[in-house]
Amino acid sequence: SAVISQKPSRDICQRGTSLTIQCQVDSQVTMMFWYRQQPGQSLTLIATANQGSEATYESGFVIDKFPISRPNLTFSTLTVSNMSPEDSSIYLCSVAGVNTGELFFGEGSRLTVL
Amino acid sequence: SQELEQSPQSLIVQEGKNLTINCTSSKTLYGLYWYKQKYGEGLIFLMMLQKGGEEKSHEKITAKLDEKKQQSSLHITASQPSHAGIYLCGAELAGTYKYIFGTGTRLKVLA
Repeated sequence: SAVISQKPSRDICQRGTSLTIQCQVDSQVTMMFWYRQQPGQSLTLIATANQGSEATYESGFVIDKFPISRPNLTFSTLTVSNMSPEDSSIYLCSVAGVNTGELFFGEGSRLTVL
Repeated sequence: SQELEQSPQSLIVQEGKNLTINCTSSKTLYGLYWYKQKYGEGLIFLMMLQKGGEEKSHEKITAKLDEKKQQSSLHITASQPSHAGIYLCGAELAGTYKYIFGTGTRLKVLA
């Protein structure tokens, strides 16, 4: 299993500002995933972050808006840039179990943009 | 378009009733996962199915994956108010290392 810590757990932000979410895993993992869950919606994959390479973004998500860092095998950050109220969501970090393939999730970061 | 479709989108049942939630993909899945999410909280892993025709049970919840590995069902027997929440199916698309999620099913169980 993997234990994932996300910070901040929640924040209220002003329009036009940027916020960086941190994700710390208690074990080394190759791939980390960032998801967005808009109010009342399911999870949408933003990007896959591999250590030592550029993140791979899904359709509809771009690096300028959601820059991701992956400096080592246990840590990643997602920045939500130039926020607007439409960015109000829960952002979740996850990793896949090495042997089981199960996806483990952090508790999520709930962002409200005013 | 959503690659994983869930049905129904929402469900209200009387306590004690059985119910089924379906998850369908147009692509072959490497693994199929079921999660439960309490409103405003994190995801709770329920079950993972990897083999065609596989069936797993935990307490009153049973999940099946069809032979083609494109469709799964989650069945709850004798539902209880504690079963209420959002049920999400997730899957790893074969050959992609990419995990996607279904549209979600909101379950409410009336006492």
